[in-house]
Amino acid sequence: DAGITQSPRHKVTETGTPVTLRCHQTENHRYMYWYRQDPGHGLRLIHYSYGVKDTDKGEVSDGYSVSRSKTEDFLLTLESATSSQTSVYFCAMKPGQDTYEQYFGPGTRLTVT
Amino acid sequence: AQSVTQLGSHVSVSEGALVLLRCNYSSSVPPYLFWYVQYPNQGLQLLLKYTSAATLVKGINGFEAEFKKSETSFHLTKPSAHMSDAAEYFCAVSDREYGNKLVFGAGTILRVKS
Repeated sequence: DAGITQSPRHKVTETGTPVTLRCHQTENHRYMYWYRQDPGHGLRLIHYSYGVKDTDKGEVSDGYSVSRSKTEDFLLTLESATSSQTSVYFCAMKPGQDTYEQYFGPGTRLTVT
Repeated sequence: AQSVTQLGSHVSVSEGALVLLRCNYSSSVPPYLFWYVQYPNQGLQLLLKYTSAATLVKGINGFEAEFKKSETSFHLTKPSAHMSDAAEYFCAVSDREYGNKLVFGAGTILRVKS
């Protein structure tokens, strides 16, 4: 979806270093999500946000934190990267509480060595 | 909690043949169901959605899916496969928890043979 971008698209980092991934949307959507995609698991929710400064944990949140200081930006931070966090990370958005489909960014491929 | 099962991690069809990708869901409430497609190195694109209106849902690129409550299924079909349909397909259900997160199946890779 052209209204949602992610940066960087690819990153290689070393174990133990902090990493921040950025999601940016231009649709003024209220809800934003971070998922990780691993083979055989589909996508799993890490954290989500339902407004500026309103965030909550998903099902695989250990080792991750998020921040949302503006409607358009949702940041995912790996506090101390581990090899198990090597994955493809997708950001998604949806307009409001009563909508259910989500629109996805292009993804960030993260490799932790 | 909601869950999704996609039968067959890989499906291979000939160009021009029927495409059938299977999805079964588990939900304690009336579900909202989706099919997404992912091309290599790209994000997920919404193909179609079921939100309790018509049980036969038409999507983009000639795909459609039928919601069958009695079978808890939401199979994806396309009458005639095209080479450009080769991709990975994900079925998903909206969960009332976690801000209406999507619960995804493991995905089905569709291969189209010429």
